[in-house]
Amino acid sequence: ETGVTQTPRHLVMGMTNKKSLKCEQHLGHNAMYWYKQSAKKPLELMFVYNFKEQTENNSVPSRFSPECPNSSHLFLHLHTLQPEDSALYLCASSQTQGARYFGPGTRLTVT
Amino acid sequence: QKEVEQNSGPLSVPEGAIASLNCTYSDRGSQSFFWYRQYSGKSPELIMFIYSNGDKEDGRFTAQLNKASQYVSLLIRDSQPSDSATYLCAVARNFGNEKLTFGTGTRLTIIP
Repeated sequence: ETGVTQTPRHLVMGMTNKKSLKCEQHLGHNAMYWYKQSAKKPLELMFVYNFKEQTENNSVPSRFSPECPNSSHLFLHLHTLQPEDSALYLCASSQTQGARYFGPGTRLTVT
Repeated sequence: QKEVEQNSGPLSVPEGAIASLNCTYSDRGSQSFFWYRQYSGKSPELIMFIYSNGDKEDGRFTAQLNKASQYVSLLIRDSQPSDSATYLCAVARNFGNEKLTFGTGTRLTIIP
């Protein structure tokens, strides 16, 4: 498999559920990102990891918890989400100097 | 003022014509500029990046950068129906910066 993969592609969860999103990059990049894309809004950067270390947390609520066990894998753990958290969640990777390469995204619906 | 501003469109262009997509940015210290294409229901896909003032060509795509005017554009020559998508402009303060700021995108429709 090549590029950036994400699972699941679609997720429906209740406000009291706990779920995790998974991302894997096969590009040999050293930085990984979580973005949120909502309708009519610009892509919002949530978290950045460089060489497995978190370098940015863009004021994201604690109900979103990232985990980066190595430079190829990234998780986003979700708990007690709100309906306004429904969005497309995109994982991306890059070299330290370079453009973002995005995965296909997880369409999340919180009921 | 938005950090990265794009006309949301929709922009309709006849097949075979040149589509011109524009983007302005507020941070005068910005150094790297990216264009992404996003089909409906899909994730953004990198088309081009540009760092220096002037034009950069790649196939049917040309990116144009004018840092003095804080303006970057994307031209698509010989537009095809498959070019119909939303085009996102993204800007970063330096070449390796994590903070890549995106615009809301311009929806482009190529009319057969």
